Order: sequence, then C-alpha cells, then structure tokens
Amino acid sequence: GAVVSQHPSWVICKSGTSVKIECRSLDFQATTMFWYRQFPKQSLMLMATSNEGSKATYEQGVEKDKFLINHASLTLSTLTVTSAHPEDSSFYICSAIGASEKLFFGSGTQLSVL
Amino acid sequence: KQEVTQIPAALSVPEGENLVLNCSFTDSAIYNLQWFRQDPGKGLTSLLLIQSSQREQTSGRLNASLDKSSGRSTLYIAASQPGDSATYLCAVRDNDMRFGAGTRLTVKP
Repeated sequence: GAVVSQHPSWVICKSGTSVKIECRSLDFQATTMFWYRQFPKQSLMLMATSNEGSKATYEQGVEKDKFLINHASLTLSTLTVTSAHPEDSSFYICSAIGASEKLFFGSGTQLSVL
Repeated sequence: KQEVTQIPAALSVPEGENLVLNCSFTDSAIYNLQWFRQDPGKGLTSLLLIQSSQREQTSGRLNASLDKSSGRSTLYIAASQPGDSATYLCAVRDNDMRFGAGTRLTVKP
C-alpha cells in the first residue's frame, strides 16, 4: 500500500532554534498534504493544508510565520517550526492524499523543546 | 464548519464481544469518511475508507457503515481481541479533513 514517510521521528531542540520536519509520499503523488498537531490526551488538530505549488492554508489560531510549510513537489512537504518554544512541544503528524482520495499518514514526529 | 463527534469517548469490553463505535458529523456534503486506529505515541493506521456514494465497507472483523443524510457512521468490530485495544478515530473529508476526538477502546482478556 501507499506509504508516507515522515522524518525525524524524534527531535529535541533548544528554545529559539528552528526545526524542520519532512513528509514524503513514497509511491504516489500527493496532491494535498495535511499537517496536524496532537497534544497529549487530545485529538489531532489540523494545522494547515497544503497543495503542491501553492501556499498553505492555515487554520485559525495557527501562526503561519511560526509554522512554515513548503509543498514544493508532489512527493514532499516540509513543516518548519521557527524559533521553537517549550509550548510548541507536541506530536506532529503529516498526511497525504493522492488520486485514490485515501488518506495516508506519516508516523509522526515528537518534538520536545527544552 | 464541519464538526465530528465520536461516542463513546472510552469503552471497555471483555474479549470476544462485538462492539459498535459511533461517529457523527454536522455537514453531510462530504467526499468520504475514514476510520483510523491510533496506538499510543504512534501515527494513525487507516482501517476503512467509505466514499460518499457508498454505504458500508468491510475488512476482516471490521465493518463500517455510512449514512450521509443523517450524518452518522458506525464502526462495528466483531469478536473483539485484546490486540484491538487502541484509540479509534473517524475523519470526514470535505474541502478539508476533520477528525473526531476518538474512542479509546480497551479489550480485556
């Protein structure tokens, strides 16, 4: 089946640094990619939707200057958390949709900001 | 704005029981509905995808139904096993994708 690869799985960084998370669709072209965030014991929260070649659409309350999303190709989207702070510590998950309209998820990235 | 609700929030059953998880959504103009399983600390695993034109999908012991007009979907798990213990989420796709809060299932041996 279709695979979405997300890297890194874990990242620990110092406050004020930037962290980039990659999401790749390995065997299909992802026309749309979604980025979600999940705080402990809470549901996934959609952060943004990105379509290849266009600017991402951010959910209300999500700072686009802080969470930079780039979807430069049909197989790669990146989420950059700029100037990360401890409150940004969370589990970030990407997902991708291709021609099948079925949603495939990455394995997630646990970000811990010290 | 689409809202997705899952009931119950948590469920505990003895092994072997059949069970039903519920998902409701407020806007019936959807493309599809998908059920996921989430194990602690891990990403989601897709279980079943139901297109808006379909009424149900089956995979092994799992059966998902969709009643778009009433904004409801159910996930039926037959002969539950301890390995089924996880959080089950439904997600609705329209121009966006919205998840329910999930049902935390525990199957006791």
